[in-house]
Amino acid sequence: AQSVTQLGSHVSVSEGALVLLRCNYSSSVPPYLFWYVQYPNQGLQLLLKYTSAATLVKGINGFEAEFKKSETSFHLTKPSAHMSDAAEYFCAVTADSNYQLIWGAGTKLIIKP
Amino acid sequence: EADIYQTPRYLVIGTGKKITLECSQTMGHDKMYWYQQDPGMELHLIHYSYGVNSTEKGDLSSESTVSRIRTEHFPLTLESARPSHTSQYLCASSEPGGGWGEQFFGPGTRLTVL
Repeated sequence: AQSVTQLGSHVSVSEGALVLLRCNYSSSVPPYLFWYVQYPNQGLQLLLKYTSAATLVKGINGFEAEFKKSETSFHLTKPSAHMSDAAEYFCAVTADSNYQLIWGAGTKLIIKP
Repeated sequence: EADIYQTPRYLVIGTGKKITLECSQTMGHDKMYWYQQDPGMELHLIHYSYGVNSTEKGDLSSESTVSRIRTEHFPLTLESARPSHTSQYLCASSEPGGGWGEQFFGPGTRLTVL
């Protein structure tokens, strides 16, 4: 069965510092992987997705993620944090041929001035 | 503009009331989903639909019901609201054929049952 683990329910970084949000997955089939962002009182917005093309995926707002099959990871990074990046980030994996998503518990990103 | 809409955005209601949370999309998507979201937890799928007259229960047991009479409309109904139903409810849709699983979300309805 597929599963997603996000390490750290809260991550705090200083403005201008590197952002690293961790996501590990378990899947018995080649996965499709997603990162979504949720700002307060809003729905989820797609940041980026891996669909078996390039392993380094670039998304919106300067974020990128690298698919590492050997490590079963899909960590999200941004070189320089901005105050507007403060939000909750969710990693998800496609579960089956019906493309249902399995979700991580989310990581709240806090940006310190 | 293609989008997905949810109303109301916020709802405070007393125990025992019947409520319907509305979800509509103008994206032309066949698949639609309802999730329940609680703080610090993953999204839990409570209902989904692959098209008109198709509805299925998700992984999380829910006392709610859904209907899909029109492609663009996927309302969720609670016949008798209880405080345990207090949560955020998110509606989503995805492209025909799945789009590799990418889902598009509405803004959510935050429900409080007193």
